Amino acid sequence: GDSVTQMEGPVTLSEEAFLTINCTYTATGYPSLFWYVQYPGEGLQLLLKATKADDKGSNKGFEATYRKETTSFHLEKGSVQVSDSAVYFCALLMTGNQFYFGTGTSLTVIP
Amino acid sequence: DAGVTQSPTHLIKTRGQQVTLRCSPKSGHDTVSWYQQALGQGPQFIFQYYEEEERQRGNFPDRFSGHQFPNYSSELNVNALLLGDSALYLCASSPRGGGAGETQYFGPGTRLLVL
Repeated sequence: GDSVTQMEGPVTLSEEAFLTINCTYTATGYPSLFWYVQYPGEGLQLLLKATKADDKGSNKGFEATYRKETTSFHLEKGSVQVSDSAVYFCALLMTGNQFYFGTGTSLTVIP
Repeated sequence: DAGVTQSPTHLIKTRGQQVTLRCSPKSGHDTVSWYQQALGQGPQFIFQYYEEEERQRGNFPDRFSGHQFPNYSSELNVNALLLGDSALYLCASSPRGGGAGETQYFGPGTRLLVL
C-alpha cells in the first residue's frame, strides 16, 4: 500500500547549519508530495508541496524536489534558525484524497 | 479570513463515555477530513466528508463516526472510549472536493485524554 518513510530524529543542529531530512515513499500511482511543519502545541502547517516528478517545492528557505526515480522528497535548508525548531512531516496524497504521513522528524536548532 | 477552527481545544473523558468534536472548515472549502495523531506519531486518516457523506475511511472501527452539515462544518463522534483513544484529533479542510493535488489545511486540533 501507499506509505511514507521518514528519517528518524530527533535532529539537533546549530544555528546556520545545513539541514536535510530524508523522505521516501511507496505509491502505486503518481502522488502529490508535501512537507508539513508542526510547532509545539499547534496543528500542522503546509510548508511546501510538489505535484509531479521533478517539481521543486520551496518556501521560507526550505526546498524539496520530487524525485520519481528514487521515490524521494528530501527536505533541505541551507541555513537553519532557532525559529525552525519544530516537527516536520512528509506526506503523500493519492487521488483517493487520503493523506499518508510519515512519523515526523523533530528538529531542534540551538543558538 | 479564518482558518480551520476546532472545538473544544482540550477534553478529558473516562473509559466508556462518548465524545463529540467539532470542526469548521476554512472559508470556501467543502471537504473535511479527520485525523488521529497519537503522541510522537504522524497523523492517521480517520475519514473524509464531502457533500454531507462519508467518502473515504481509514482503518478505524465503527466506534468512530462523523457528520457533515450543509454549511460544510463537521463533527467527529467516538463511542465507548478506550484509553488508546487518547490523542490529538486534527481536522483538515480542502476546496473543490479535495481532488488530487489539493492542499489540506489543518486546524489546531482537539487534545482528548481518556482516563
